[in-house]
Amino acid sequence: SAVISQKPSRDICQRGTSLTIQCQVDSQVTMMFWYRQQPGQSLTLIATANQGSEATYESGFVIDKFPISRPNLTFSTLTVSNMSPEDSSIYLCSVPGLAFSTDTQYFGPGTRLTVL
Amino acid sequence: QKEVEQNSGPLSVPEGAIASLNCTYSDRGSQSFFWYRQYSGKSPELIMFIYSNGDKEDGRFTAQLNKASQYVSLLIRDSQPSDSATYLCAVPLPYGGATNKLIFGTGTLLAVQP
Repeated sequence: SAVISQKPSRDICQRGTSLTIQCQVDSQVTMMFWYRQQPGQSLTLIATANQGSEATYESGFVIDKFPISRPNLTFSTLTVSNMSPEDSSIYLCSVPGLAFSTDTQYFGPGTRLTVL
Repeated sequence: QKEVEQNSGPLSVPEGAIASLNCTYSDRGSQSFFWYRQYSGKSPELIMFIYSNGDKEDGRFTAQLNKASQYVSLLIRDSQPSDSATYLCAVPLPYGGATNKLIFGTGTLLAVQP
């Protein structure tokens, strides 16, 4: 599986500010995914980031709140904008599996965000 | 009906027993199914995938798929305290879609008692 890193691993932020999370993969991938995991909850897909095109957002998530960049095939960023305490979550990036099947996904270590 | 459903637990089993984790899904056209393990404070780790009806074994883990009943399960034999984690069932929905989107169940918390 690919090696995925995320920065920062955790952060504590003030209400109304923004945080940009970085995701780096050690191999080129067409798609990267961003998920949110709220406390005690399962994973919810925020958006799919394709290189060279706009991200595709899931219902309930909008570009103004979660802008995404995908400048190349190994890197993506997710920004959480104008944060509120409800944005306190773990944010995870994932990439499709390469060895077995492209419909598996492998996850980065996550970014634990706390908004005060 | 939710797209992927799991019993949230906790499921408590004694060490050495068989833990049985269950998942149902709504899309009858689904063809692939995944089990992830998530330790507290960590990210999900893929432990099993299954595409065909029947059983698939990998070490102490067995995945079982019944497409007619839209049911997939994970059995953990000889459960160890180190197996204590949340187990997430995931299904690509819609199957064959361009984005390979994974839908996760709510997860089942497994606690293996020494």
